[in-house]
Amino acid sequence: EIVLTQSPGTLSLSPGERATLSCRASQSVTSSYLAWYQQKPGQAPRLLIYGASSRATGIPDRFSGSGSGTDFTLTISRLEPEDFAVYYCQQYGRSPFTFGPGTKVDIK
Amino acid sequence: EVQLVESGGGLVQPGGSLRLSCAASGFTFSNYWMTWVRQAPGKGLEWVANIKQDGSENYYVDSLKGRFTISRDNARNSLYLQMNSLRADDTAVYYCARGVFWYSSSPFDYWGQGTLVTVSS
Repeated sequence: EIVLTQSPGTLSLSPGERATLSCRASQSVTSSYLAWYQQKPGQAPRLLIYGASSRATGIPDRFSGSGSGTDFTLTISRLEPEDFAVYYCQQYGRSPFTFGPGTKVDIK
Repeated sequence: EVQLVESGGGLVQPGGSLRLSCAASGFTFSNYWMTWVRQAPGKGLEWVANIKQDGSENYYVDSLKGRFTISRDNARNSLYLQMNSLRADDTAVYYCARGVFWYSSSPFDYWGQGTLVTVSS
């Protein structure tokens, strides 16, 4: 099973600032099959990025993904008030399709 | 509009069974891999199982093999999760989700609102 580690656990930032979230895999992720999701309290996750760097439908361009192999990054260029949430990475290249433990982005 | 609506959650005693359902609408259900993901209270997401379009293939997280069974009925546009020998650590919100692509290695673009399963005496 591929284990995903996310850092930091919590990121405290102000609106307008840049957020950089990291996801590291215990093995190389097949074909960069790495996704990022956003989850707000009481809501289902929302797909942001797939294939490490492709934005899902309707996702603003302030969200971007990069990386390959075992190291991946989600960047939010300028935080909007609605971006404060928990972010999960997920690999879907090899079953079981594991998730990382999440990074909480909260308001400083 | 794509919709996924889970049902069947509730309170069950340890060792009991429960069958979750997910009703799909707004898309051609039989064209997509479908998945169950769960989230224990205050915890992260855990992928549970997925199933191929025609039900001929399914995969599970190792820790749940033998206790949980995923199935689907394309005529009813429905996905199911049969959960047996339930334990306290199965307590979670269970989400059904749709794969983006036609093949198994796919992220999930639509999710239901989730159904809460509580295992307690």
